[in-house]
Amino acid sequence: QVQLVQSGSELKEPGASVKVSCRASGYSFTSYAVNWVRLAPGQGLEWMGWINTDTKNPTYARDFTGRFVFSLDTSVDTAYLQISSLRAEDTAVYYCARHSAALGLPDYWGQGTLVTVSS
Amino acid sequence: DIQMTQSPSSLSASVGDRVTITCRASQPFSNYLAWYQQKPGKVPQLLIYSASTLQSGVPSRFSGSGSWTTFTLTINNLQPEDAATYYCQKHNSAPLTFGQGTKVEIE
Repeated sequence: QVQLVQSGSELKEPGASVKVSCRASGYSFTSYAVNWVRLAPGQGLEWMGWINTDTKNPTYARDFTGRFVFSLDTSVDTAYLQISSLRAEDTAVYYCARHSAALGLPDYWGQGTLVTVSS
Repeated sequence: DIQMTQSPSSLSASVGDRVTITCRASQPFSNYLAWYQQKPGKVPQLLIYSASTLQSGVPSRFSGSGSWTTFTLTINNLQPEDAATYYCQKHNSAPLTFGQGTKVEIE
């Protein structure tokens, strides 16, 4: 069955970096793009962008350029989200989600990774 | 980029009520509009896509309609387990923008 398993919660100080992993199984990893979605406390879902797992080409939403980097290791069917120069407002749950090209939307989601930025 | 605006931001209703949530786009686009339900601590669940297509396994009391710039999610015969936050999302072409969410509480 399709599964996306994300890495565990992270506690980071302001200014540090974090790398969240999303390991896929149960399907051909390079046949589906991976979306990244953020849910900050008291806020709504935000689509951060996606990465084409075939070409490795990322697309970032307007609010997620610069400090956010999507990457892949196709040898282990894993997508990564790296955030640098962390700020308190980056505190959120970050989800990865497989992109269904047929439906044009995320169809399977990871369980989410809580990133807390605090000194 | 197209912006998605939901209304209301929250509502309270009784079991058995009909609830309607509206999602408005800042400009018209094809009817690639999805609705998700998210409960605290849980992953978003797809309810409807392409404005009105019910995702497999979703109860038929959920329905979607609309086109152009205005879309609605209707929940008929509201149930206690429907307490959640509901999001619309423009889909099929980037950016896959979400609305800001509507929190539904059961009285």
